[in-house]
Amino acid sequence: DTAVSQTPKYLVTQMGNDKSIKCEQNLGHDTMYWYKQDSKKFLKIMFSYNNKELIINETVPNRFSPKSPDKAHLNLHINSLELGDSAVYFCASSQGTPGLNYGYTFGSGTRLTVV
Amino acid sequence: EDKVVQSPLSLVVHEGDTVTLNCSYEVTNFRSLLWYKQEKKAPTFLFMLTSSGIEKKSGRLSSILDKKELSSILNITATQTGDSAIYLCAAVRGGGNKLTFGTGTQLKVEL
Repeated sequence: DTAVSQTPKYLVTQMGNDKSIKCEQNLGHDTMYWYKQDSKKFLKIMFSYNNKELIINETVPNRFSPKSPDKAHLNLHINSLELGDSAVYFCASSQGTPGLNYGYTFGSGTRLTVV
Repeated sequence: EDKVVQSPLSLVVHEGDTVTLNCSYEVTNFRSLLWYKQEKKAPTFLFMLTSSGIEKKSGRLSSILDKKELSSILNITATQTGDSAIYLCAAVRGGGNKLTFGTGTQLKVEL
């Protein structure tokens, strides 16, 4: 059973389109995250939700909108896609406070290519 | 702003060599430092370090935190080709859920 699963794994789309990435975790964790990994492999946090409530919202264009229908799901919707949005997007989850008890569990990533 | 720097950026060694990867951090109200290994897909958790000077060990991998120097090292002894990956370190500040990652060290182990 996959602990943190993302769909789709690959997404190729044209500039200007709107797309969504879905994430589900079956670990019973309270907190979920979206991270973006650029071409230089730098991982940077975008959003975090704790039990459906937004707790971290980094400096991200408002074309990116997360939605958490329940604590096991965190989706990412991107409007008006731009070339610079091309990256690998990782979903992650944690129980309790990361860095105190444990780290994150990451999904396998969604490689988004905007052409 | 919190900052994590890793060195070297990349490294090529031969099987059997020992490698040391470095991570330094500037984090307000530092709580802990985590190491991850990333092969083709998701980063996988290796170690969490909160106390200075206490070594964490798992097989051929070990890591230690130096809070005075604001740094950590990850050692891999008797390297194997399967150790080829990007090694990421991340710092966590107290009271927060956010991990601040370094840029990673790309390790390649050749036969």
